[in-house]
Amino acid sequence: GQNIDQPTEMTATEGAIVQINCTYQTSGFNGLFWYQQHAGEAPTFLSYNVLDGLEEKGRFSSFLSRSKGYSYLLLKELQMKDSASYLCAFMDSNYQLIWGAGTKLIIKP
Amino acid sequence: GAVVSQHPSWVICKSGTSVKIECRSLDFQATTMFWYRQFPKQSLMLMATSNEGSKATYEQGVEKDKFLINHASLTLSTLTVTSAHPEDSSFYICSARALGRGDTDTQYFGPGTRLTVL
Repeated sequence: GQNIDQPTEMTATEGAIVQINCTYQTSGFNGLFWYQQHAGEAPTFLSYNVLDGLEEKGRFSSFLSRSKGYSYLLLKELQMKDSASYLCAFMDSNYQLIWGAGTKLIIKP
Repeated sequence: GAVVSQHPSWVICKSGTSVKIECRSLDFQATTMFWYRQFPKQSLMLMATSNEGSKATYEQGVEKDKFLINHASLTLSTLTVTSAHPEDSSFYICSARALGRGDTDTQYFGPGTRLTVL
């Protein structure tokens, strides 16, 4: 079967670093996406990993280990505007997106 | 968990034909459903928001006569692409917001429907 899991909620302090984990199980895999969604807005694309390793994009980095079915999104130098839900989703062998329920990130001053 | 399904998963059609995509919340009732388009590795673009029993609210630039949305029940919304053209080829994703659950702010996303118009 297929499933994907990420924490429901996380809290972090402004200026700190936070890592949001995402684990998944699937027989067919065509990449993993991370999106940021502010309340009332459409999800914004953050990253796409299809090969193992770390991809860095400014303050945000995303890591993938296909053998472990594991990904994380790393946010550095947290800002208040980073308070949002972070969605991970993998694309299966049929190019369908399987979504996590989202991690609500709360940033405190 | 909250599961949202879409049907069909993918569809290929000829230019000028109409295509209907269904979005269903399988184990919860949805007050609101959203329809998005996604281009490769890009953010989801909100097309419209639909509430059960009322007319959909379309985002600026989205033709409501071309993209017909019907939210007939608390578990089903349909998007019909009328007179489809090749530029309508895209990945269409729906999401549903739950009714009566503690997580009423959460959107649950469907797996998407890949439309190819020849």
